[in-house]
Amino acid sequence: QVQLQQWGAGLLKPSETLSLTCGVYGGSLSGYSLSWIRQPPGKGLEWIGEITQSGSTNYNPSLKSRVIISADRSKNQFSLRLSSVGAADTAVYYCSRGGLWWGQGTLVTVSS
Amino acid sequence: QSALTQPASVSGSPGQSIIISCTGTLSDVGGYNYVSWYQHHPGTAPKLMIYDVSTRPSGVSNRFSGSKSGNTASLTISGLQAEDEADYYCISYTTISTWVFGGGTKLTVL
Repeated sequence: QVQLQQWGAGLLKPSETLSLTCGVYGGSLSGYSLSWIRQPPGKGLEWIGEITQSGSTNYNPSLKSRVIISADRSKNQFSLRLSSVGAADTAVYYCSRGGLWWGQGTLVTVSS
Repeated sequence: QSALTQPASVSGSPGQSIIISCTGTLSDVGGYNYVSWYQHHPGTAPKLMIYDVSTRPSGVSNRFSGSKSGNTASLTISGLQAEDEADYYCISYTTISTWVFGGGTKLTVL
C-alpha cells in the first residue's frame, strides 16, 4: 500500500528557508499530481502548489515568488522550498499524491 | 485567488441528512467539473471523500455524495453518524491552473 512520509526542519527563524521532503513508498511518483498543502493554527487548509502529472509546476499566486516544488524520481520523493519565511508561514504542512494519499503532516514554526 | 465560500458550521442529528455548500465563481467551481471534498479530523491528514464533483474514491461510504449547480458545489451526507463529525473542505481547480480551498465547515453531530 502507498504511504507518504515527510520530513524537514520544524523550527525556523524569520527570513530563513523552509525545506520539506516527502517520500513515496509502495508506489510511483508517476501518474499523479504531487502537492503541498498547509494549515495555519486555527485556520483552514491552504493549497501551496503542485507538480502535475506532466511534470509542470503550479503555485498559489500569493506564494509564487517564494515557492519551489521539485521531484527526484530516482529517490521517489518530492520537496517543498519556501524562502524568506515569516510568522504567517507557521503551519502544519502536508504533502499529497493525487489527493488520495497524504503525509503525516509537519508542524513548522517560525519564531525568532 | 479568493477562497471558496462555505458555511462556517452545520449540524444535524444522527440519521439525518445535511448539505454543505461551496460557492465560487465561473473562474473556478462554475467553470470546471474539478471539485473535491475532504474530511479533516484535527491532528490527522485530510481524507478525500469526493472528487470530480460527484465521484467517490474506493472505500468511501455511499452516504457521501456530491453535486454541482452553476457556481455552487454541494456535499450531502445522509444517515449522519457520530464519526462524521469533522471539518469539511471543498477545493476547486481554477482558470489560472491552480487550486483553491473553501474556508472549511465544521460539522457537529448533535
